[in-house]
Amino acid sequence: DIQMTQSPSSLSASVGDRVTITCRASQSISNYLTWYQQKPGEAPELLIYAASSLQSGVPSRFSGSGSGTDFTLTISGLQPEDFATYYCQQTYSSYTFGQGTKLEIK
Amino acid sequence: QVQLVQSGAEVKKPGSSVKVSCKASGVIFSSVAISWVRQVPGQGLEWMGGIIPISGTANYAQRFQGRVTLTTDESTSIAYMELSSLTSEDTAVYYCTRDQVGVGATDWGQGTVVTVSS
Repeated sequence: DIQMTQSPSSLSASVGDRVTITCRASQSISNYLTWYQQKPGEAPELLIYAASSLQSGVPSRFSGSGSGTDFTLTISGLQPEDFATYYCQQTYSSYTFGQGTKLEIK
Repeated sequence: QVQLVQSGAEVKKPGSSVKVSCKASGVIFSSVAISWVRQVPGQGLEWMGGIIPISGTANYAQRFQGRVTLTTDESTSIAYMELSSLTSEDTAVYYCTRDQVGVGATDWGQGTVVTVSS
């Protein structure tokens, strides 16, 4: 199975900050990379697919980049509702999730 | 819109099996791909496997091979996940998802809590 490694595992930031979360695959996955947001007690929601395509309805402050093995999720201008846990997932060969990054208010 | 409605919470004994259902609406069931994802309390998301109803072809994560069985019933638009030889480590929320190729899990069920306890 392809392994996905996210960093950092947790992150503290303030409203208005710009934050970046990284995700590394154990082998090349082209651009088959999806990002999800999960809030406590809720099912995850898809934010970005194909590494950089914004899912319909997701605010434009979310962006993704990367290809091959290294990917990033950037949130520009954090809003209070953005404090949540973020997961990457490869969809290249079966599916594997990263271990998650918890974004907390500083 | 697509809706995935899962069966209710389960409490199981160690060594037993659990079968969770996921009813899809708002979508042509034969055209979808369904995955199952679990989340142990306080931990991350774990993909267990996926199935394509029109072909019945299932694909399982290595760590669940031999212990999980995914099936579908096209007549009722229901997908099932059966997990056997349960231990306390299988206590988790189990989600079904509707997947789109090259995109991922665009729709999620509400989750089913499975508790394994003697």
